[in-house]
Amino acid sequence: DQQVKQNSPSLSVQEGRISILNCDYTNSMFDYFLWYKKYPAEGPTFLISISSIKDKNEDGRFTVFLNKSAKHLSLHIVPSQPGDSAVYFCAASPISSSNTGKLIFGQGTTLQVKP
Amino acid sequence: GAGVSQSPSNKVTEKGKDVELRCDPISGHTALYWYRQSLGQGLEFLIYFQGNSAPDKSGLPSDRFSAERTGGSVSTLTIQRTQQEDSAVYLCATREGTYNSPLHFGNGTRLTVT
Repeated sequence: DQQVKQNSPSLSVQEGRISILNCDYTNSMFDYFLWYKKYPAEGPTFLISISSIKDKNEDGRFTVFLNKSAKHLSLHIVPSQPGDSAVYFCAASPISSSNTGKLIFGQGTTLQVKP
Repeated sequence: GAGVSQSPSNKVTEKGKDVELRCDPISGHTALYWYRQSLGQGLEFLIYFQGNSAPDKSGLPSDRFSAERTGGSVSTLTIQRTQQEDSAVYLCATREGTYNSPLHFGNGTRLTVT
């Protein structure tokens, strides 16, 4: 049961253009969403997050949009740079009685930004 | 400051042997998580520690997997009688303790079972 889905395994964009990475989730109890970036042989690094009380959060070139009714999350990178080439993971955290704060991750999307 | 440190970075072992993977968290981070990433897959939750106790072990795939944490600091993930399907990158992540804050990951241990 994949609660967080990234349906595009890969994405290729030209340097300077916009990169849009998408994520869908099934659990309406998720209330906190994050994007992580991962380079080969390194651990995932936190990029940006959004709480379910918001529909947009922006940090420099990175903007995350949340559409709760559609259970859809997206990450926009503008302008894209070759150094952004990495695997991007969407993650979500459920409200639960145990409140462990664990994150549920999608399968990842490999972004390639071409010079 | 120092980040999450994991050792070894790579481990090759023969099927049937036991392995121990170590995680040194960021100082003061009370919450600690183990994940694994199999080839081409996302990150799969294994176990969560708050201090030395593990209130959520729901992700451990079999009784061959166990983990402990001592002194609210270092954690060890042990895999007994390793199988080829255990081959993956095992990642440790910690958090200061505040819910709805990011996890900070180590670089992982790449385990290969031959």
